[in-house]
Amino acid sequence: DVKVTQSSRYLVKRTGEKVFLECVQDMDHENMFWYRQDPGLGLRLIYFSYDVKMKEKGDIPEGYSVSREKKERFSLILESASTNQTSMYLCASSPSDRGREQYFGPGTRLTVT
Amino acid sequence: GENVEQHPSTLSVQEGDSAVIKCTYSDSASNYFPWYKQELGKRPQLIIDIRSNVGEKKDQRIAVTLNKTAKHFSLHITETQPEDSAVYFCATGGTSYGKLTFGQGTILTVHP
Repeated sequence: DVKVTQSSRYLVKRTGEKVFLECVQDMDHENMFWYRQDPGLGLRLIYFSYDVKMKEKGDIPEGYSVSREKKERFSLILESASTNQTSMYLCASSPSDRGREQYFGPGTRLTVT
Repeated sequence: GENVEQHPSTLSVQEGDSAVIKCTYSDSASNYFPWYKQELGKRPQLIIDIRSNVGEKKDQRIAVTLNKTAKHFSLHITETQPEDSAVYFCATGGTSYGKLTFGQGTILTVHP
């Protein structure tokens, strides 16, 4: 059974803080993804990684960075959190082939005050 | 880049009715079209997918149809039940690693 876990379900941070969101998958998937989910906007891709130490910008990378030092772990970093980054953050993983199912984590609800 | 438009944004039906959600996309190279269901407070999960060499696929009460020429695809749910109430997302992929581009989502409510 595929398992994707995220470090926190709920997180409250102050404006200007550095925030780390971590995602771990146990299925040896090559691809990992970070999305943010906002009502009416669907799932928007922030960054993805297709291999260790490899990363690609998604559709909304501004204000975010990522790190993938190990195959099973993909971190999303908010260098200086802002209130407009208050959102639900979802991590996902998939095998290396194109056109394969993505498996999602439970999400982290981040509030920046 | 790819653009996926999903309609309607909300859909309310009576139990037993059918529900149809439509998506259009812009990248003619897309060849993978999955649909995800997200129940309240839960993670999105794949419910059905179709590839560009197939025009229709069914799985019990759900079906997906694809028109590659017109660049649109649809999710059909028959005999809806209250447990079908959720947010449904369409997506396209198959062109760049495992990347998917999602639609905006449809909130489906099935009234008993």
